[in-house]
Amino acid sequence: NAGVTQTPKFQVLKTGQSMTLQCAQDMNHEYMSWYRQDPGMGLRLIHYSVGAGITDQGEVPNGYNVSRSTTEDFPLRLLSAAPSQTSVYFCASSSGQGPQFFGPGTRLTVL
Amino acid sequence: AQRVTQPEKLLSVFKGAPVELKCNYSYSGSPELFWYVQYSRQRLQLLLRHISRESIKGFTADLNKGETSFHLKKPFAQEEDSAMYYCALKAFRPENSNSGYALNFGKGTSLLVTP
Repeated sequence: NAGVTQTPKFQVLKTGQSMTLQCAQDMNHEYMSWYRQDPGMGLRLIHYSVGAGITDQGEVPNGYNVSRSTTEDFPLRLLSAAPSQTSVYFCASSSGQGPQFFGPGTRLTVL
Repeated sequence: AQRVTQPEKLLSVFKGAPVELKCNYSYSGSPELFWYVQYSRQRLQLLLRHISRESIKGFTADLNKGETSFHLKKPFAQEEDSAMYYCALKAFRPENSNSGYALNFGKGTSLLVTP
């Protein structure tokens, strides 16, 4: 099992560009979520999904879109990147009330 | 409102000394708490889950509902314990559903163990 994988590991964008951060898990977990990690802020929930076709907003959803067409994949889209979105992004998955497993993270810089 | 507070940004101890990382929470229901550890530039790993009552890598944590605390303790710190530690509180998502949950994280404490 690869667990939770994320691509790319690093990305530099210019303000206004769009991109998609990929997240995949091979554990057949229903629940997936995206967090952003900022210095002195801990991790904050962006969006989550309780299963294929079902997504909802977390604590800091503005500027981000998600979709969940399959159980395995949960991409995060930045439609028009802003410097405030410079952060490290973590994807996580879990099965029901089981422990959450985190991906290795994507380090994003928006210039 | 649900909240997790880790009052120390940085904690520095000598190797072999006891260490306690503080975590306080506010939650109206019956809380479920976790400790996650993140070694330098790596992914977050689950260290402890209070319902499991385990001891992982020598760390323990006891939920104290009276003091609304879930402090992480280790009697003898090792250099390899140097990492960022996050306390987190389970938050059902969607609310009033048990289909899944998110984690409300504290801001983290950076533990540095020096020789």
